[in-house]
Amino acid sequence: AQSVAQPEDQVNVAEGNPLTVKCTYSVSGNPYLFWYVQYPNRGLQFLLKYITGDNLVKGSYGFEAEFNKSQTSFHLKKPSALVSDSALYFCAVRDRDRDDKIIFGKGTRLHILP
Amino acid sequence: NAGVMQNPRHLVRRRGQEARLRCSPMKGHSHVYWYRQLPEEGLKFMVYLQKENIIDESGMPKERFSAEFPKEGPSILRIQQVVRGDSAAYFCASSSGQAPNQPQHFGDGTRLSIL
Repeated sequence: AQSVAQPEDQVNVAEGNPLTVKCTYSVSGNPYLFWYVQYPNRGLQFLLKYITGDNLVKGSYGFEAEFNKSQTSFHLKKPSALVSDSALYFCAVRDRDRDDKIIFGKGTRLHILP
Repeated sequence: NAGVMQNPRHLVRRRGQEARLRCSPMKGHSHVYWYRQLPEEGLKFMVYLQKENIIDESGMPKERFSAEFPKEGPSILRIQQVVRGDSAAYFCASSSGQAPNQPQHFGDGTRLSIL
C-alpha cells in the first residue's frame, strides 16, 4: 500500500534562512512525487513534481525538492525563506505502475518568522 | 476561469438536512477526486470518479454519503441527514486521465457548517 509521512507538524524558520520540509514515502513500485501548498481558505496549489530523471526538481516560488531513492525521501527546500512562504505544505505520492489515487501526507505547517 | 470550480463556497445546514456539493473539473479533465479536510488536519481521500463510474470509494462513509459524476454536468457529493461531525472543508480535484503523472488541480473547497 502507498503511504506518505511528514514527520513534522510544524516547522519554524527565520526569514532569510534556508528551509526544509521533510517527506518520506512508501510505494510498491516506482513513485510519482508531488508537493502542494495551501494558503488559508484556499485549495491546494501545485508546487513541483518528480517524475523521472534529475533527482533535484525545481518548482514554483523558488522551491525545490530532492528525490532520494535509497532513503525514500522527497524533502522540500528553499535557500532563503520569505514570510509569504508561511502556509500548509503537503507531500503526495502516486504509484506509477497503478492507475490509482494520489496519497497525501498529513501536512506540515511552515511558519516564517520576520 | 479554466480552473476547478466548486460551489457553493460556504454551505450551512441544520442537522438532518441534506447537503449537495458541486464540482466542475478543469476543461478536458475526466477524473475527479473528493477529499475532506478538518481544521488543522490533512486531506482525507473520500472518492475517485471518472465519467459515470466510481473507481474507488474506499474513503467514503458507508452511510449517508454518495457521489456521482454524470456524463453531463458537474460531479456531486451528497450528504444525507447531516450531523455535526460532517462539518469540514470538502475539496474537489481533477486530473487528466491521459497523463497519470500530471498533478491534480484543486478547487477552493466548500466549507460545510452544520448547526
